[in-house]
Amino acid sequence: DAGVTQSPTHLIKTRGQQVTLRCSPKSGHDTVSWYQQALGQGPQFIFQYYEEEERQRGNFPDRFSGHQFPNYSSELNVNALLLGDSALYLCASSPPTGGYGYTFGSGTRLTVV
Amino acid sequence: GEDVEQSLFLSVREGDSSVINCTYTDSSSTYLYWYKQEPGAGLQLLTYIFSNMDMKQDQRLTVLLNKKDKHLSLRIADTQTGDSAIYFCAEGDHTGTASKLTFGTGTRLQVTL
Repeated sequence: DAGVTQSPTHLIKTRGQQVTLRCSPKSGHDTVSWYQQALGQGPQFIFQYYEEEERQRGNFPDRFSGHQFPNYSSELNVNALLLGDSALYLCASSPPTGGYGYTFGSGTRLTVV
Repeated sequence: GEDVEQSLFLSVREGDSSVINCTYTDSSSTYLYWYKQEPGAGLQLLTYIFSNMDMKQDQRLTVLLNKKDKHLSLRIADTQTGDSAIYFCAEGDHTGTASKLTFGTGTRLQVTL
């Protein structure tokens, strides 16, 4: 049973560019959350998608947007990249029954130069 | 707002017990979690405790929750070199439609021979 898969694993972008990160949730999970983990820090909640809509959002600017598809997979888009956006981006999925079944992917390491 | 604090570093000898501590502020937290992160990897859920419990044991892991003081601890018995990693405490508010996790900054556990 595949867990949460994220692509790509590593990415290097130039300041001002746009990036799209992808996530496939664990089988049976319908809710996807995205987290940003800066070096030496704990993960910070970006937003959560359920039934193809953003259900909750953390303290991140509008440059961060997302999408959830009918098959529950999700994308995270970041526009106008800043050097400070360099981080590990983690996707987590959870089942319909409740949030405590979070499963995290291995993340996408984004470097902005 | 929510805030989770942890000490940054803990060093123990192989075979000893490790105790990692965490304090949180959000009294509406319904679940509290411990995650493990190895270098270059995502987050692995170790264990969780519901907020109306005060202790949970799972093999070598014991979680203690003092809800009055908002203090959570993770005890690892017979610590092994494979336990070397960063450990994150997280609080989750799963009431209503809110189900984000708020993480601490992580405690780096170093296990020495």
